[in-house]
Amino acid sequence: DSGVTQTPKHLITATGQRVTLRCSPRSGDLSVYWYQQSLDQGLQFLIQYYNGEERAKGNILERFSAQQFPDLHSELNLSSLELGDSALYFCASSVSSGNTDTQYFGPGTRLTVL
Amino acid sequence: AQSVTQPDIHITVSEGASLELRCNYSYGATPYLFWYVQSPGQGLQLLLKYFSGDTLVQGIKGFEAEFKRSQSSFNLRKPSVHWSDAAEYFCAVGAVSWGKLQFGAGTQVVVTP
Repeated sequence: DSGVTQTPKHLITATGQRVTLRCSPRSGDLSVYWYQQSLDQGLQFLIQYYNGEERAKGNILERFSAQQFPDLHSELNLSSLELGDSALYFCASSVSSGNTDTQYFGPGTRLTVL
Repeated sequence: AQSVTQPDIHITVSEGASLELRCNYSYGATPYLFWYVQSPGQGLQLLLKYFSGDTLVQGIKGFEAEFKRSQSSFNLRKPSVHWSDAAEYFCAVGAVSWGKLQFGAGTQVVVTP
């Protein structure tokens, strides 16, 4: 158990809908990262937040957004969902924003878009 | 452009045999290198990491990896695999200027009796 929690574990929804994925980092970690794992794209970095502020952006679609709240939990919002958004979404956390920090991964949320 | 390559998509190994997983990276400076393992239905677990110093790194579960700058490689090894080592293994690279880990495509390891 990494100490990173993600809810829900599974999510099934329809195209065009909007969903919110939630992540609670390890106690004391200030950075949260979101990754998408799909069969065709592999593991891709989406976005990083550090202490409430966006720190780095990767291959995140405009339909996707994220935020980190004062209690340091983070939410990833996916809207206007398409079939291709079906994937496993991982959250990871680290102590600070330093990129040498070990990132600890949560168990993931499996999103299925029908 | 930075990249991480895991040349082997799939490896089958007998229980008790040795295992070596290859990872090559492309990056202008010294990268920070990681190996993660993903068991079926699970998240990613860090096996080991290299930042600097001794180029032979010991990790959990009996794994080790060797950083070879001249070959831009960071191969993962285990002397004797157990059935529980069946999983997907990911090499990743991070760097000071990046806010992310860049992952390789992964190597699926199957362990046969």
